[in-house]
Amino acid sequence: ETGVTQTPRHLVMGMTNKKSLKCEQHLGHNAMYWYKQSAKKPLELMFVYSLEERVENNSVPSRFSPECPNSSHLFLHLHTLQPEDSALYLCASSQDYRDRGHEQYFGPGTRLTVT
Amino acid sequence: DQQVKQNSPSLSVQEGRISILNCDYTNSMFDYFLWYKKYPAEGPTFLISISSIKDKNEDGRFTVFLNKSAKHLSLHIVPSQPGDSAVYFCAASALNAGGTSYGKLTFGQGTILTVHP
Repeated sequence: ETGVTQTPRHLVMGMTNKKSLKCEQHLGHNAMYWYKQSAKKPLELMFVYSLEERVENNSVPSRFSPECPNSSHLFLHLHTLQPEDSALYLCASSQDYRDRGHEQYFGPGTRLTVT
Repeated sequence: DQQVKQNSPSLSVQEGRISILNCDYTNSMFDYFLWYKKYPAEGPTFLISISSIKDKNEDGRFTVFLNKSAKHLSLHIVPSQPGDSAVYFCAASALNAGGTSYGKLTFGQGTILTVHP
């Protein structure tokens, strides 16, 4: 595996379910990100992690709970979601979140549908 | 309130001609700009960037122009190829008071480019 991978690629869940999205990067990067892209809206940054420490929480509701057990893995735990949370969730990584010269590498995303 | 706007949802160009994708921003604190390209079922991939200290950056067939006074940037692709057909996103970042950007990119909605053979 190379680059940034995400599983599952598609997920349908009910509002009372608990599920998790997984992201793994094979690039040796130190920073990882979660983005959300709703229909006809721009990508929105949700969380930033650097060396397993959360450095940015972009006013995301608590029903989204990130976890970064090590610099290669990032999870997004989901519980009691709403239908409006249906979106494409993208994971990204970069060498160093403080250096804008290092571009972010994105995974293919998880298409989430909340019923 | 959208701080980065790509007002053209789509653009259609003939192969070999120039593609010009436009992006406007409202936040005067933005000082670093990027373009990403996205194919269906794939994540966005970095294309080219420009710092606000420059007004032009070129990489092969891709050139980004920045007009700070107009808060406008554009991506030129010359010559356009059918493989360039994708969604193009403009993104911007600004340093916070601590001098870091936390990798926080603000994206536009994207423009779908179609290059016809």
